[in-house]
Amino acid sequence: DAEITQSPRHKITETGRQVTLACHQTWNHNNMFWYRQDLGHGLRLIHYSYGVHDTNKGEVSDGYSVSRSNTEDLPLTLESAASSQTSVYFCASDPRTDTQYFGPGTRLTVL
Amino acid sequence: SQKIEQNSEALNIQEGKTATLTCNYTNYSPAYLQWYRQDPGRGPVFLLLIRENEKEKRKERLKVTFDTTLKQSLFHITASQPADSATYLCAFLGGYQKVTFGTGTKLQVIP
Repeated sequence: DAEITQSPRHKITETGRQVTLACHQTWNHNNMFWYRQDLGHGLRLIHYSYGVHDTNKGEVSDGYSVSRSNTEDLPLTLESAASSQTSVYFCASDPRTDTQYFGPGTRLTVL
Repeated sequence: SQKIEQNSEALNIQEGKTATLTCNYTNYSPAYLQWYRQDPGRGPVFLLLIRENEKEKRKERLKVTFDTTLKQSLFHITASQPADSATYLCAFLGGYQKVTFGTGTKLQVIP
């Protein structure tokens, strides 16, 4: 079955380190998104992509970057991890319809 | 900018009763409102979408209404079951498939 996966599921890192979170979908969806979810803020959009080589900044993009070299993957990179980036990160994709499909999430802790 | 507001307090109801969750939005009426379910440790799962020109949408025990005058959507679960216990997210679908989420309301169905 087609699906969307994220790895790792849990990650602990230190302040200042570069971290990359992986997102892979097998639906061949053009649109992919990265969100972070924090108590009191709900889901907030970090970056999104509408296709290969297309990337766009979302609401909370500072300190994050993405690249899209193929349809299936949208890795999220934290250039220099900060404690404020401790959060749960969700990747999502959609086939240009009205429904987004979410991955299981990555819990990131920055010490 | 558009904001989505949901009651952050948990809603506790007795099994068999109808649960009603509220989603309010500010500024202009979105073309679409979506409702998602999120279980602990998992990504959101799409449930229903209602368009601006639709007053009501149903799916099995779920019903969503959209009142553009009140700037409000109501989400109803009839004959609620303990398995319906989860956090329910309301979301506004804007341009280019970008979704803005509310903070969610936690529903607890008591046997």
